[in-house]
Amino acid sequence: GESVGLHLPTLSVQEGDNSIINCAYSNSASDYFIWYKQESGKGPQFIIDIRSNMDKRQGQRVTVLLNKTVKHLSLQIAATQPGDSAVYFCAERDRGSTLGRLYFGRGTQLTVWP
Amino acid sequence: DADVTQTPRNRITKTGKRIMLECSQTKGHDRMYWYRQDPGLGLRLIYYSFDVKDINKGEISDGYSVSRQAQAKFSLSLESAIPNQTALYFCATSSSGGLSYNEQFFGPGTRLTVL
Repeated sequence: GESVGLHLPTLSVQEGDNSIINCAYSNSASDYFIWYKQESGKGPQFIIDIRSNMDKRQGQRVTVLLNKTVKHLSLQIAATQPGDSAVYFCAERDRGSTLGRLYFGRGTQLTVWP
Repeated sequence: DADVTQTPRNRITKTGKRIMLECSQTKGHDRMYWYRQDPGLGLRLIYYSFDVKDINKGEISDGYSVSRQAQAKFSLSLESAIPNQTALYFCATSSSGGLSYNEQFFGPGTRLTVL
């Protein structure tokens, strides 16, 4: 069965606010968790990843938090902009996968209102 | 020019027809993937290739076949298309080694409709 999922299928925020997109996972064997962004009409694009032995990682305007106790992953976007409107996918990489297979969740549609 | 290209971008076909979707990349990556995207289901892996001589089934390979003609080319075939194969298909590539697996580069997608 699918081990990566999302709490909410849609999220609407006002421009300038912070966004938090959540993801649950069930595979304890995953060694990396990754976030992808998919804009309308395009393929997914890598945003940021976090190793399973970390709790937090920051990028440019984005922060990923990993809570292994409850198997929860979140992506925080600071000062959300209209260009952030997209579907966001979490993905996990199985520690046992030597070929780098990723398992994607269903995605959350983020809509940013002016 | 795009690093990962897919042809065709859109295709409408009839049940029972054989269809081939093509993917080319200029990134020099060893690894190539074919995914299927359905609304509300995310991305599901159909086939992946470690290198030219390596082909592996993904989660949903039934009804599909692939060919890795060269390092830069990976094609997906539907031998006898059926309506539930209507979906958006993505090709992706990644470099080999360590963290490079995590960043896959996706093509623009092929929207396939099977009537």
